[in-house]
Amino acid sequence: SQTIHQWPATLVQPVGSPLSLECTVEGTSNPNLYWYRQAAGRGLQLLFYSVGIGQISSEVPQNLSASRPQDRQFILSSKKLLLSDSGFYLCAWSVKGMNTEAFFGQGTRLTVV
Amino acid sequence: GNSVTQMEGPVTLSEEAFLTINCTYTATGYPSLFWYVQYPGEGLQLLLKATKADDKGSNKGFEATYRKETTSFHLEKGSVQVSDSAVYFCALSDYGGSNYKLTFGKGTLLTVNP
Repeated sequence: SQTIHQWPATLVQPVGSPLSLECTVEGTSNPNLYWYRQAAGRGLQLLFYSVGIGQISSEVPQNLSASRPQDRQFILSSKKLLLSDSGFYLCAWSVKGMNTEAFFGQGTRLTVV
Repeated sequence: GNSVTQMEGPVTLSEEAFLTINCTYTATGYPSLFWYVQYPGEGLQLLLKATKADDKGSNKGFEATYRKETTSFHLEKGSVQVSDSAVYFCALSDYGGSNYKLTFGKGTLLTVNP
């Protein structure tokens, strides 16, 4: 069966420090991969999606970047965190080429202080 | 573009009450529709889905019917439990030029009291 792992679960980082959040998927190949952010108020904002290695699409301009160095690995990064980067970050995957659901990781709670 | 509108709540019910959370959508194509649930501090879990008009998705006593004529996918449960307290998201998946993308509503917080 397919599983998605996301870590760390919680993170407290000072303003101006770098960020690296990692997500890996097991049990499937060539998935679509997504990073979402959920700020206070519960809404979900799509940050990045990837249809393959090295292929990243950004949905909103921001202080973050994403990379996909391997087929089932998706990394969210920042060189210098801002207070406004605080939030709950969710990684997700879906089967490529099908109009179907996405499966989510457990999320990372990031607090920038 | 695509959009999903759901009642924002919060919704507070007593145990065994009937639940309805309204969801309507706008899509350029022929979307699939979903309800996700998020328990405190966790990621989203798929609750149910429907992929074509008049399909009924169901799971754990929850139901929703894909209504193309009214572009709606309302979530219902006949008798809620305290353990149903969570945030519920309505979502659609549609082709966005190069990829299928999920579009979410803003979520509805449900609190069920004993």
